[in-house]
Amino acid sequence: LAKTTQPISMDSYEGQEVNITCSHNNIATNDYITWYQQFPSQGPRFIIQGYKTKVTNEVASLFIPADRKSSTLSLPRVSLSDTAVYYCLVGAIWGMNRDDKIIFGKGTRLHILP
Amino acid sequence: DADVTQTPRNRITKTGKRIMLECSQTKGHDRMYWYRQDPGLGLRLIYYSFDVKDINKGEISDGYSVSRQAQAKFSLSLESAIPNQTALYFCATSDRRGGQEELFFGEGSRLTVL
Repeated sequence: LAKTTQPISMDSYEGQEVNITCSHNNIATNDYITWYQQFPSQGPRFIIQGYKTKVTNEVASLFIPADRKSSTLSLPRVSLSDTAVYYCLVGAIWGMNRDDKIIFGKGTRLHILP
Repeated sequence: DADVTQTPRNRITKTGKRIMLECSQTKGHDRMYWYRQDPGLGLRLIYYSFDVKDINKGEISDGYSVSRQAQAKFSLSLESAIPNQTALYFCATSDRRGGQEELFFGEGSRLTVL
């Protein structure tokens, strides 16, 4: 399993764009990258997932360079409600490694200030 | 109604007692997981199950056991609870979309062992 490294915490202000970078130097060919968001006392919620280049949805964008050793979650124009913990995970594409399991790290605690 | 339901939501018990946390899902997913969350430590995987006959240990399975009674039900047991098992426990299911995997979490079960 590829280990991930993220900043422990980040602060930003409402209306700003926030970028959270995750390092995964030993990512495998079959691994994809997924980000989850967790509010206090709630289970994590899927945000975005990608394998290479750029992925965008209604919530965020995910940038993955060609070497795939890192990825950046971009949250446009954050609000106070984006205050949460954000987890970066890497894992095998379904069916490629049946024994693989989804492991969470400690995540990045994002605090949005007014 | 929640797609992934955990019971009880809160439980206070004493050292040495047997405790069961139950999880049921209406999503029709084959894969189910139990995670534990402690403050500042992210989520740690306890057990996971790929189908009714397939149960696997996660990162921290000691002191826990599980039962997959049906596709929709996955229970976590603490045979003899101890104070350091005080934590927030999450059940999750997963589904594949286009070869990739997304986790869906329950609302959590907060367990306090005195």
